[in-house]
Amino acid sequence: GAVVSQHPSRVICKSGTSVKIECRSLDFQATTMFWYRQFPKQSLMLMATSNEGSKATYEQGVEKDKFLINHASLTLSTLTVTSAHPEDSSFYICSAIPGVNQETQYFGPGTRLLVL
Amino acid sequence: QKEVEQDPGPLSVPEGAIVSLNCTYSNSAFQYFMWYRQYSRKGPELLMYTYSSGNKEDGRFTAQVDKSSKYISLFIRDSQPSDSATYLCAFASGGYNKLIFGAGTRLAVHP
Repeated sequence: GAVVSQHPSRVICKSGTSVKIECRSLDFQATTMFWYRQFPKQSLMLMATSNEGSKATYEQGVEKDKFLINHASLTLSTLTVTSAHPEDSSFYICSAIPGVNQETQYFGPGTRLLVL
Repeated sequence: QKEVEQDPGPLSVPEGAIVSLNCTYSNSAFQYFMWYRQYSRKGPELLMYTYSSGNKEDGRFTAQVDKSSKYISLFIRDSQPSDSATYLCAFASGGYNKLIFGAGTRLAVHP
């Protein structure tokens, strides 16, 4: 149980375009999902906390207008990188918490974004 | 002082060795302690989760927490080449709270 999927697994886009990444909880409902980015050989950096039916909470230094998060249902959260630039190239990973009063996060397989 | 300190390694051991991975933390509010394993270009996988001081064992893995010293460890017995990955310690201060990760320790187990 507690499987999280992401789509796409890899995306290459041109500078200036927007890219949408989906995060789905496959076998549970998740009121809270998280979005992270990870640069090579570095740890995960939390970008935002996504709550179903409400606005996401962004970490300090993360641009809300650039990284749009939509948590439209209990099994789906999306991250849209708007007007992507080469410095946005990174590994984006989502996680979700199954159930009520849970603390552990289960992670998706990640999405590798390359902006040319 | 960083909230979490973890030696990034790399740590190289022969197959069959006992591996000890460690993290220290400074935030007394942390109540939940986790270890994740991350293979290259993959998402982290939860290995161990505990919320109390002491040891917790699961197969070849043992998680140890010492809240008084603010120190957690992960021991891997009879290490295998398939254990080669980055191991991340993670902490949370409560339910639905964000995780604070260590830098990750890269482990290589050679045959």
